[in-house]
Formats: sequence, structure tokens, C-alpha cells
Amino acid sequence: RKEVEQDPGPFNVPEGATVAFNCTYSNSASQSFFWYRQDCRKEPKLLMSVYSSGNEDGRFTAQLNRASQYISLLIRDSKLSDSATYLCVVTKGTYKYIFGTGTRLKVLA
Amino acid sequence: SAVISQKPSRDICQRGTSLTIQCQVDSQVTMMFWYRQQPGQSLTLIATANQGSEATYESGFVIDKFPISRPNLTFSTLTVSNMSPEDSSIYLCSVAGADNQPQHFGDGTRLSIL
Repeated sequence: RKEVEQDPGPFNVPEGATVAFNCTYSNSASQSFFWYRQDCRKEPKLLMSVYSSGNEDGRFTAQLNRASQYISLLIRDSKLSDSATYLCVVTKGTYKYIFGTGTRLKVLA
Repeated sequence: SAVISQKPSRDICQRGTSLTIQCQVDSQVTMMFWYRQQPGQSLTLIATANQGSEATYESGFVIDKFPISRPNLTFSTLTVSNMSPEDSSIYLCSVAGADNQPQHFGDGTRLSIL
């Protein structure tokens, strides 16, 4: 089993739709969780950290479920510009970051 | 977040040559990371670099092929040695200000080997 697993997609959704991605992790001792966005041939950029209580940033909501060992990202009112690959990252030990392989999102006009 | 400058942004090199990639951060950071990402693939960690100690390499990566320097808390270099077409990739440096804090990435170096 991979340490961090994501559905590779692509998720094809119309503009204005709500879409959600999950990311499962295997190490119950993981402490920190992040979502990154990566555009084609660009570097990953931090989208948001994921806190135990859940957090929201505009149209984006991240949640952590420690019992089931997954994090989620919800995007409301999808825009064309949201088309990208979304990477989840989980920490494991001292300065150990495990990157998921990413979920591709295509928002269609 | 830290501003990270990576140079060169791209290069085309002949096989058998070496290229050194520089990563400069505008603030002091504890840990720097070097990744490789081939087209359509996920990030692969090459090594982590802590100032004042030798880099720690991941399985499949060796110091002779990818020597790394970390002379201070704001700078690191990665050299890709004796390059072959299989080394064609995007190379990314990233930094983390503290353990369990998010990483921030440089723009990447797009390397093509002929």
C-alpha cells in the first residue's frame, strides 16, 4: 500500500460545479497535512494547510479525518483557472514529507 | 513565505557533461530539498540538505551522480554529473522553515540532455 494515495483523475467538471478530492495516508502518526496545486510544467504551490478542525479559504475547504486517515479538499463554484493537479502532502518523521501523485482537475467551459 | 530563486531556469546540455543548479533563499532556512519530476510523473525526492552536514540521499540517488552543497542557511547547489538523456527532467529545490511546516518551491530547472 502506498503511504499516500490519491485518485489520479482526471476529474472533468463544468464551471460552477463543486468537486471534492480525497487523499488517504497510511501512517497514523503523521502530524501535518497540506494541499498543493501544480500547473503544467510549473512548480507546486501551497494551496492550504489542513488543520484538525478543518479550514476554509474562500472557495476551498480542507478537512482532516484522523480516524479514517484521509484528508479532503472541496472546491466550490469551480473556475476554469482551477484546472490543475492537486497534490496532497503528509509529514512522517523529522523533515519527511510524503507527496501524493496528484489528482488532475479539468474545469470545462 | 520564503522567496526562492533557482538558476538556471532551463538548459540544454550534451551527454557526459555536468550542470550545477543553484538555489538561493531570501531568508535562513533549516532544511532544503532537491526533487526531480519527469514529464507527467510525480515528484521524486533526490536528497535533503541541512547546513553543515552532508546531504541525505534517497534510495536510487548517489552523491557521485548528484553532489550537493549547502554552505550556509540560504543557499544550496545540486550538480547533475555525467548527464545522459535519462536525466532530462525538471529539477526543483524547496525549503521548509521548520519541521512539519509546508515546503515552498523554487521555479524549477528544466533540463534537456541531447
